[in-house]
Amino acid sequence: AQSVTQLGSHVSVSEGALVLLRCNYSSSVPPYLFWYVQYPNQGLQLLLKYTTGATLVKGINGFEAEFKKSETSFHLTKPSAHMSDAAEYFCAVRSHTGGFKTIFGAGTRLFVKA
Amino acid sequence: AAGVIQSPRHLIKEKRETATLKCYPIPRHDTVYWYQQGPGQDPQFLISFYEKMQSDKGSIPDRFSAQQFSDYHSELNMSSLELGDSALYFCASSRETSGSPGNEQFFGPGTRLTVL
Repeated sequence: AQSVTQLGSHVSVSEGALVLLRCNYSSSVPPYLFWYVQYPNQGLQLLLKYTTGATLVKGINGFEAEFKKSETSFHLTKPSAHMSDAAEYFCAVRSHTGGFKTIFGAGTRLFVKA
Repeated sequence: AAGVIQSPRHLIKEKRETATLKCYPIPRHDTVYWYQQGPGQDPQFLISFYEKMQSDKGSIPDRFSAQQFSDYHSELNMSSLELGDSALYFCASSRETSGSPGNEQFFGPGTRLTVL
């Protein structure tokens, strides 16, 4: 069965500092991987996704993530945090085969200090 | 661009009542998903439909049922509501027949259900 683990339910950074949100997955085969952001009282918005090809994926709002098969990781980074980045971030996986459901991690709430 | 529409946005019900949530997917999307997100929790997959047929089933209680109609909109019916059903219910849609791998799910704004 597939699963997603996000290390750290809360991450706090200063404005302008590096953002690093960790995600590890468990799957018998490399799945499709996603990062979603959720602002308060809103739906989930896709930041970026990995399907095949280049392992470094660039997304919206300056975020990027690198798929590392050997480490079963898909960590999300941003070089310089903005106050507007404060939100909940969810890593998610989806199987290549059978079914359409997406499995979400528990989420990491990012706080950005002025 | 058109997005996923959910109605109502907010719903308050008493215990043991029923509720119906509606979802209108993005035009030409053929797959609809329902998720439940409790306070401070990650979205939990409930059920999905592809081309009006149930395609996958998650942790959906037997008190809940759902269907996708000929116009691709979907309804989640919830009966015998319990306090623990209070949550944000998201609908998402995607186009699975495009042949692209890892098709993105587009999420609606959610329906916040409060059971008193």
